[in-house]
Amino acid sequence: EAQVTQNPRYLITVTGKKLTVTCSQNMNHEYMSWYRQDPGLGLRQIYYSMNVEVTDKGDVPEGYKVSRKEKRNFPLILESPSPNQTSLYFCASSLGLASYNEQFFGPGTRLTVL
Amino acid sequence: GQQVMQIPQYQHVQEGEDFTTYCNSSTTLSNIQWYKQRPGGHPVFLIQLVKSGEVKKQKRLTFQFGEAKKNSSLHITATQTTDVGTYFCAGPKFSGGYNKLIFGAGTRLAVHP
Repeated sequence: EAQVTQNPRYLITVTGKKLTVTCSQNMNHEYMSWYRQDPGLGLRQIYYSMNVEVTDKGDVPEGYKVSRKEKRNFPLILESPSPNQTSLYFCASSLGLASYNEQFFGPGTRLTVL
Repeated sequence: GQQVMQIPQYQHVQEGEDFTTYCNSSTTLSNIQWYKQRPGGHPVFLIQLVKSGEVKKQKRLTFQFGEAKKNSSLHITATQTTDVGTYFCAGPKFSGGYNKLIFGAGTRLAVHP
């Protein structure tokens, strides 16, 4: 089954404790993105990757890191989480540029930073 | 900067009534996408519109792209409880040599049986 998986689905952590949210897709998609969703703000892009070893900042990259060492995986790293990073996070993938191609979203990761 | 605005933010209707959400961009868009997110779920792609004035239908859903390619609408005829969710439009934003996708804030639809 074609899908995007994320782990963990729920996470409660404390300020400053490094964490990684994993994202994997099995559709051989080149383009992957991370979004955060906050009430009233819709989905905002954090980082995206055009292909292996090619990543770039989205609209809200501060406090986040990403890497793309393999085509299928695109982990999101929070080196020192802060309470304002409490949010619902979605990973997404598409065959090509997200702006022109259907994006497939993962189930989401709800993060709470205390 | 470039923005994609959606109205209304929230609408509740009686089952069987029609519903429309509007999406407006501050700049001309090459294309626009629509997504639906059920409560507790993830966004799911509905459609992409590319041509000026384009109209596409999916059963009770009708999508339109404005002639100037700066606005779009999603109309649902005779809503059902299965239509509940948040509807997002999204358009490309050219930045840093790449096209990114920016989403509107979404319209949350509640349907009362």
